Amino acid sequence: SQKIEQNSEALNIQEGKTATLTCNYTNYSPAYLQWYRQDPGRGPVFLLLIRENEKEKRKERLKVTFDTTLKQSLFHITASQPADSATYLCALTSGGYNKLIFGAGTRLAVHP
Amino acid sequence: DTEVTQTPKHLVMGMTNKKSLKCEQHMGHRAMYWYKQKAKKPPELMFVYSYEKLSINESVPSRFSPECPNSSLLNLHLHALQPEDSALYLCASSQPTGGNLGANVLTFGAGSRLTVL
Repeated sequence: SQKIEQNSEALNIQEGKTATLTCNYTNYSPAYLQWYRQDPGRGPVFLLLIRENEKEKRKERLKVTFDTTLKQSLFHITASQPADSATYLCALTSGGYNKLIFGAGTRLAVHP
Repeated sequence: DTEVTQTPKHLVMGMTNKKSLKCEQHMGHRAMYWYKQKAKKPPELMFVYSYEKLSINESVPSRFSPECPNSSLLNLHLHALQPEDSALYLCASSQPTGGNLGANVLTFGAGSRLTVL
């Protein structure tokens, strides 16, 4: 069966450190993978998209990698800040262009 | 602020009530979505409309009835719900052909928090 797994339910790090979140998938062949941020009680907000032929993508303090052989994406936040505390979701399309499926998410807490 | 507007923000209803959730976007997106999200769980896809036609129904019970009156509006009609239907209901929109990114990037609303008593 198809699965999208994110490494841990919660991740606690110190301010200024790099946070690394993992997204693994099975029985998908995605053309691209997306990362969203969700704050409590709010809808997810799109952050980054990476295509299958791209190894790495950057946006300000964010970096995403995509390894289609390992079926894994890594999401990095460098110089993390308490304001980065949120749940981060990876997402893939499945069974059709409009069918976006989300992983369970990782709750990141950045402590001062 | 989000460009997808959902109303109401909070709704409490009894199991015999009929209510509706509403969603509006003015970004010219032609695909609109309903997702359901329980606490500490990911959003789960319910329905997708593409060019005002229902294109995906993820085997959602008939007590949830979607409607897309035009390209900017999406409704979710609720009838005879159960307490386990209590959740955050999220509306989203996207360009069905991928827009500039060539991929299906969703813009979400803030959600409607539904409590069924």
